[in-house]
Amino acid sequence: QKEVEQDPGPLSVPEGAIVSLNCTYSNSAFQYFMWYRQYSRKGPELLMYTYSSGNKEDGRFTAQVDKSSKYISLFIRDSQPSDSATYLCAMSAEGFKTIFGAGTRLFVKA
Amino acid sequence: EPEVTQTPSHQVTQMGQEVILRCVPISNHLYFYWYRQILGQKVEFLVSFYNNEISEKSEIFDDQFSVERPDGSNFTLKIRSTKLEDSAMYFCASTLSGGPSYEQYFGPGTRLTVT
Repeated sequence: QKEVEQDPGPLSVPEGAIVSLNCTYSNSAFQYFMWYRQYSRKGPELLMYTYSSGNKEDGRFTAQVDKSSKYISLFIRDSQPSDSATYLCAMSAEGFKTIFGAGTRLFVKA
Repeated sequence: EPEVTQTPSHQVTQMGQEVILRCVPISNHLYFYWYRQILGQKVEFLVSFYNNEISEKSEIFDDQFSVERPDGSNFTLKIRSTKLEDSAMYFCASTLSGGPSYEQYFGPGTRLTVT
């Protein structure tokens, strides 16, 4: 079983739709959960960071962590064409090593 | 807004040659990282560096790789005797504080092509 699993997509939605992106993981030691956005030929850009379980909201973005199910989600409300990118989940335990998911390619159509 | 910069943006080298990838982290950051992303694959942690020494490394980071902070601003990744499978995007990242590597700021990457 992979340490972090993420559906690579692509996921195509119309502008204004609510987008749901998800990852599952197997390592119960993970405590820190991140979502990055990566545009083509660019470095990852941190969107959201959550410690342990719970929800976190920032503008149109909501991150959810369910440690009991080892499942994390990112919701994007009122999606825009500029949200079209690859979304990477990432997680770490207490050390410095961050494990990334494979990334989900999102296309938001105008 | 401060940003992490990397040079060169694209490096082409022949198999067996040594390459040095350069990064300038954000100036007041203290923790530095290298990641690689093989085309079409996920971002993979290579190494973290703090206070002039490696704090953690992955199984990918073998004796072929080394890192250095030669002065107060640069952070380098050296790959000795490159192999075809070293072809990838290499990302540098930095964080202000230590501990779990959240709030990392990534550079734009160096595309390494080994022929």
